Amino acid sequence: DQQVKQNSPSLSVQEGRISILNCDYTNSMFDYFLWYKKYPAEGPTFLISISSIKDKNEDGRFTVFLNKSAKHLSLHIVPSQPGDSAVYFCAATRRSGNTGKLIFGQGTTLQVKP
Amino acid sequence: DTAVSQTPKYLVTQMGNDKSIKCEQNLGHDTMYWYKQDSKKFLKIMFSYNNKELIINETVPNRFSPKSPDKAHLNLHINSLELGDSAVYFCASSLRERERSYEQYFGPGTRLTVT
Repeated sequence: DQQVKQNSPSLSVQEGRISILNCDYTNSMFDYFLWYKKYPAEGPTFLISISSIKDKNEDGRFTVFLNKSAKHLSLHIVPSQPGDSAVYFCAATRRSGNTGKLIFGQGTTLQVKP
Repeated sequence: DTAVSQTPKYLVTQMGNDKSIKCEQNLGHDTMYWYKQDSKKFLKIMFSYNNKELIINETVPNRFSPKSPDKAHLNLHINSLELGDSAVYFCASSLRERERSYEQYFGPGTRLTVT
């Protein structure tokens, strides 16, 4: 019963091109979404987030898009750099109570080739 | 000066043993978490403590017991280890303050292997 799914286990792109990572969710009560990045032998690090009242949030080379009707979000990285090679986790939550409870997807491994 | 640290990094033990994993954060956060990353790579929340008070307790076998001596430490004790407990365990911390609750800082993980 996975409420957050990342259906592409891996993605390979050329340096300088756009990387698009996708995430789907099933719970319509989720109102806050995040992306985390993870390098090998390290813990995940917070990258970018978006509230359900928005459909886009941008931070430098990273942009997250939210399509609530489709229960879909995506992370765009432009331009992609070799240092972006990592596992990207999508996460979702319902913010009531500020419990900090996050539901994660299983991750997508991004490889950016020089 | 690591922000969130876990010890040990690797733990290999036999079925039936009891083991502990320690976590410490020096970020001044008031909330700490334990996550389990299983073989399918999903990161699942297990427990969360806010100022030493348990606020999240997911459906986890009661062989797992978290202990928070103070808000900078959250340890995980596991009794009677089973093969299925083999996983990577991550500790995390955050401030319990609206969206900042979800911008969590993770430790490097502890890879537990039960043989």
